[in-house]
Parts: sequence; structure tokens; C-alpha cells
Amino acid sequence: RKEVEQDPGPFNVPEGATVAFNCTYSNSASQSFFWYRQDCRKEPKLLMSVYSSGNEDGRFTAQLNRASQYISLLIRDSKLSDSATYLCVVTPSGNTGKLIFGQGTTLQVKP
Amino acid sequence: GAVVSQHPSWVICKSGTSVKIECRSLDFQATTMFWYRQFPKQSLMLMATSNEGSKATYEQGVEKDKFLINHASLTLSTLTVTSAHPEDSSFYICSARPARLPYEQYFGPGTRLTVT
Repeated sequence: RKEVEQDPGPFNVPEGATVAFNCTYSNSASQSFFWYRQDCRKEPKLLMSVYSSGNEDGRFTAQLNRASQYISLLIRDSKLSDSATYLCVVTPSGNTGKLIFGQGTTLQVKP
Repeated sequence: GAVVSQHPSWVICKSGTSVKIECRSLDFQATTMFWYRQFPKQSLMLMATSNEGSKATYEQGVEKDKFLINHASLTLSTLTVTSAHPEDSSFYICSARPARLPYEQYFGPGTRLTVT
């Protein structure tokens, strides 16, 4: 079983739509959680950290459920520029700096 | 902001040759750098953790004699793919963790390696 699992998609949505991505992780001792965005043939860029209390950054809302080992990302009012692959990332316990990436979910926003 | 560069950005080499990829932190000192590999439509997989002045720690399944890592200074780590084969063709990405901000990490732009 993969340590971090995501539905690869693709998710094809019209501009203005709301779309939600989910992710599950297998190690209950995982310490920190993130969503990264990766454009084609580019490096991943940090989108936001994820907390149990939930956090929002503009049109983006992330949520962590430790009991279910489940992470979500909600994008409201999708823009064409949101088209990318969204990577769910966790870190193991201990401050090793290691990042464990999910396969990524591809989003295509269409006009 | 923190900037990490990689060189070259892309390289094509013949099977059996060796290729060196550099990862530099341009405006900060990095005690730890990480090397990842990403095959098409797959996730980034951590290959090794590189600590300045000491031997790299390799992830399970990664051959340390094939992927040589050197972290000789606080701003430079190198990955050498020795005796490259077509199956080594991939996107290699490094990241650097600032010494003064150990909970942050910055990625380089990646190096696309094609072995013919």
C-alpha cells in the first residue's frame, strides 16, 4: 500500500466550479501535512500547510482529519490558472525533513 | 526569498556515461539537501538525504554506488548518475532546508535527464 494515496484524476471542470481533492495516508505517526502544486515539467511549489483546525487561503481550503488519516483540498471559483497537478504531502515523525509525496491529482479547468 | 538552482536544467547523454547534476542554494546556507526522482505520471520519490560534510543517507532500493552524492559545502550538493542507462531517464529534483529555518524546504527547478 502506498504511504500517500490520491485519485490521479484528471478532474475536468468548468471555470467557476468548486472542486475537492482527497488524500489518505497510511502512517498514523505522520507529523506534518501539505498540499503542493506542480505544473507540467516544473518543480513542486508549496500551496498550503494543512491543520486539524482547517485553514483557508483565499479560494483554497484545506482540512486534516487525523482519526481517519484523511486530507482534503477544496478549490472554489476555479480559474484557468488553477490547472495543474496537486500533490498531497506528509512528513514522517521526527524532524528529518523528508517529504512523502502522493501521486498527485490532475486538475484541468476549462473555459 | 530562498532560491535553489539546479544545473543543468536538461541533459541528454549516451548509455554508459556519467552525468553530474548540481544543486545550489543561492541566498541561504543549507545543512540538508534532498534528492528526488520523478518518472512520468508518478510521484516524486525521495532518493537520498544529503548532509553537509557527511555521507548521504539513501532510501531503500536506491543504489548508492550508482547515484553518488556529495555535499561538500553549505550551498552545494551534487548528484552523479554513474554508468547511466535509459531506465535512469527521469526528472531529478533537489530541495534544500535552510540551516536557520529547519522546518522549511525549497525546491530547485529540476533536471530532466534523457539517456539514449
